[in-house]
Amino acid sequence: QQPVQSPQAVILREGEDAVINCSSSKALYSVHWYRQKHGEAPVFLMILLKGGEQKGHEKISASFNEKKQQSSLYLTASQLSYSGTYFCGTKTTLGAAQKLVFGQGTRLTINP
Amino acid sequence: DAGVTQSPTHLIKTRGQQVTLRCSPKSGHDTVSWYQQALGQGPQFIFQYYEEEERQRGNFPDRFSGHQFPNYSSELNVNALLLGDSALYLCASSFGTGSEKLFFGSGTQLSVL
Repeated sequence: QQPVQSPQAVILREGEDAVINCSSSKALYSVHWYRQKHGEAPVFLMILLKGGEQKGHEKISASFNEKKQQSSLYLTASQLSYSGTYFCGTKTTLGAAQKLVFGQGTRLTINP
Repeated sequence: DAGVTQSPTHLIKTRGQQVTLRCSPKSGHDTVSWYQQALGQGPQFIFQYYEEEERQRGNFPDRFSGHQFPNYSSELNVNALLLGDSALYLCASSFGTGSEKLFFGSGTQLSVL
């Protein structure tokens, strides 16, 4: 079942912070975050494997609340290069070859 | 080191026709997954190939079929095209079927008229 992302779109000024949420109706084993710029391939950002785990990638970090079956992506002091559509993908078990199910995406626009 | 390459980049077909899309995985990768991305939506999993066999399949009809070659490259075939098949088709490669990190190609934009 497809995870639900919120908000659907965000517009920020450079330097502002943003939070993107990803919720599932099923228990999750892992949450994966990707960013896709217009006309380009989605690019891997990070994976969260454990409940309550937090990871960081430059000024982008994420948390995974296993009990709430949700993950949040935090973008701190946003830069123009952060613009794009962010997708969360989820897996419900560790099983090999399990498909990654993506949310509908959150479009982030950073203005100067 | 070449990443994931897909061809062609754009394609225009008419209803009822058949199409073949191609994908070369990143060097060292042996697993290829195909996704369909409609405009404004997230990628939807079509199927995954490993060791020249289909390992997993999403909710797509049999009109969608694929193949993986000994050099790990892959093809996606769609028969009897429908208008609703218009989308960006993404190929993603990884090492092993359980790999957590996917490398995506830039996709093939298919338009069905």
